[in-house]
Amino acid sequence: AQSVTQLDSQVPVFEEAPVELRCNYSSSVSVYLFWYVQYPNQGLQLLLKYLSGSTLVKSINGFEAEFNKSQTSFHLRKPSVHISDTAEYFCAVSETSGSRLTFGEGTQLTVNP
Amino acid sequence: DTAVSQTPKYLVTQMGNDKSIKCEQNLGHDTMYWYKQDSKKFLKIMFSYNNKELIINETVPNRFSPKSPDKAHLNLHINSLELGDSAVYFCASNNGGWNSPLHFGNGTRLTVT
Repeated sequence: AQSVTQLDSQVPVFEEAPVELRCNYSSSVSVYLFWYVQYPNQGLQLLLKYLSGSTLVKSINGFEAEFNKSQTSFHLRKPSVHISDTAEYFCAVSETSGSRLTFGEGTQLTVNP
Repeated sequence: DTAVSQTPKYLVTQMGNDKSIKCEQNLGHDTMYWYKQDSKKFLKIMFSYNNKELIINETVPNRFSPKSPDKAHLNLHINSLELGDSAVYFCASNNGGWNSPLHFGNGTRLTVT
């Protein structure tokens, strides 16, 4: 069965600074990878996903993540964050063979002025 | 608005009571889920229905009983509530298959006193 580790539970940064939220997974087979974002008092929303093809995937609001098969990672990056990016970010993985989605424990990103 | 909507948003009740949470999606999805998010923000799947049929039933106390009257609705009934049931419960839906992103409701915060 697969597992997901988000290496940082909290990441505080200043506005306009770059940020990286780290995600590593464990699986012996091919995977689908996702990043979800949860704003306060809301449900999770899909930020971006990797299913196949190009290993670099991007969201509409400037985030990107790169699937690295050799390092079994799917880190999320943004070159310049805004106050409005403050939220909880969840990495999730499922195996292409059909196993259920497994979420990481989340990373709280706090952007300070 | 196309969405996953769940009611109520907040639910405060005493131990031993029975309560229900309702969920509806108008996205035309054929699969619906209940997730539990604990105080540490960890997300755990509880149940999944595909076209009104139960397909995932995690190790959840049998005090929890999901009901899907049609593929657009998935309700959660909880009997004999306990303190440990306090959490945020999220309904979600997708088109089935773990490569299909989940669409989440805004959650129901259940507090058992």
